[in-house]
Amino acid sequence: QSALTQPPSASGSPGQSVTISCTGTSSDVGGYNYVSWYQQHPGKVPKLIIYEVIKRPSGVPDRFSGSKSGNTASLSVSGLQAEDEADYYCSSYAGSNNWVFGGGTKLTVL
Amino acid sequence: QVQLQESGPGLVKPSETLSLTCIVSGYSISTGSYWGWIRQPPGKGLEWIASIYQSGSTYFNPSLKSRVTISVDTSKNQFSLKLNSVTAADTAVYYCARLEQVVTRAFDIWGQGTMVTVSS
Repeated sequence: QSALTQPPSASGSPGQSVTISCTGTSSDVGGYNYVSWYQQHPGKVPKLIIYEVIKRPSGVPDRFSGSKSGNTASLSVSGLQAEDEADYYCSSYAGSNNWVFGGGTKLTVL
Repeated sequence: QVQLQESGPGLVKPSETLSLTCIVSGYSISTGSYWGWIRQPPGKGLEWIASIYQSGSTYFNPSLKSRVTISVDTSKNQFSLKLNSVTAADTAVYYCARLEQVVTRAFDIWGQGTMVTVSS
């Protein structure tokens, strides 16, 4: 299985919106609604912020939203705040109890 | 509150076996759920290594399958990872995590991670 494809970087100014894509195949992203997103601040542990494509765990601001179209999932962050500056990773179920992650996207708040 | 804590040597010699243990607190492994290992080389992305169910069923990243063993000890409420024939490419922060399969179908709780360096 190959890693999911994410852009290396994304950026936006405070208050703006930004969208990060995550492209896989019909064997992972396109085949299941089990896409999750993780936020990782430098030196910190990844934190689950989106699961099952669109759902947010308790405590995650509704500024974070997820979606999927075909083999591409997306994470959108609206009303950017300085604290949103972090690395973001997508992950997908890939069948047969296998999981795959994306290469990560560094989000910079300008 | 569910917590996970990795333990193991921080330095492993090339060609030897990397061994890590994840101690789970605040939740009984026997209750259910899947458990997994994920690693992150310095400055790079996350890579799923393997998962195990409390019953002992195991699942592996195809690219690492030939070198990986994962096991669970319900009596000690912990699970373990062994990666043999290590090289410098296996240098990474290794995380253990709960793979929650009822509500989130995601890695919802993570350990703090442990840095393992492969070097002579």
